[in-house]
Amino acid sequence: DAGITQSPRHKVTETGTPVTLRCHQTENHRYMYWYRQDPGHGLRLIHYSYGVKDTDKGEVSDGYSVSRSKTEDFLLTLESATSSQTSVYFCAISRGLSSYNSPLHFGNGTRLTVT
Amino acid sequence: EDQVTQSPEALRLQEGESSSLNCSYTVSGLRGLFWYRQDPGKGPEFLFTLYSAGEEKEKERLKATLTKKESFLHITAPKPEDSATYLCAVLNQAGTALIFGKGTTLSVSS
Repeated sequence: DAGITQSPRHKVTETGTPVTLRCHQTENHRYMYWYRQDPGHGLRLIHYSYGVKDTDKGEVSDGYSVSRSKTEDFLLTLESATSSQTSVYFCAISRGLSSYNSPLHFGNGTRLTVT
Repeated sequence: EDQVTQSPEALRLQEGESSSLNCSYTVSGLRGLFWYRQDPGKGPEFLFTLYSAGEEKEKERLKATLTKKESFLHITAPKPEDSATYLCAVLNQAGTALIFGKGTTLSVSS
């Protein structure tokens, strides 16, 4: 699992409540990513980080915010959860995708259900 | 727009029946094409990276090849344990993230 821990692994929450997902890495990689995976859509990038306090938006960032105060931790927050955010969320890390032979390595995901 | 299309969506094979999965892509100036394997309930597991047309990579029964417009994942004499979803991705034009296809779900029966 390339030293990536996602927590919680499963969560059920109600519409309108805030939710925070955590990704912790032990590899000291600079880059961290949050993807969501939905049937019929595949993996889609939400946000990514290229260093402590340095983040940028991905393809489906609306309704999500992120924070990275330490190299090893990357938090994904749903400010006010909606049913459309029911999904499986994956954290990934990389030394740098533009570097040769430095792919993404994924955690095992968090299954979030918004009722 | 950077885009990845995989076909077929699903493939059923008998054990030992070789076949290929296709990944076609549109990206300006390919900087890397990645293959992953995903088992149910798990995160994607990295298999290969290909960088230039003509390049090939092998791992056990899997061989990935790359042309200027597509990549193939060839599976030779598959076994039931090769059953999984195989994902293809390309590095986006900015070089900042991977763009994934929707995957091909492979089922190998004995």
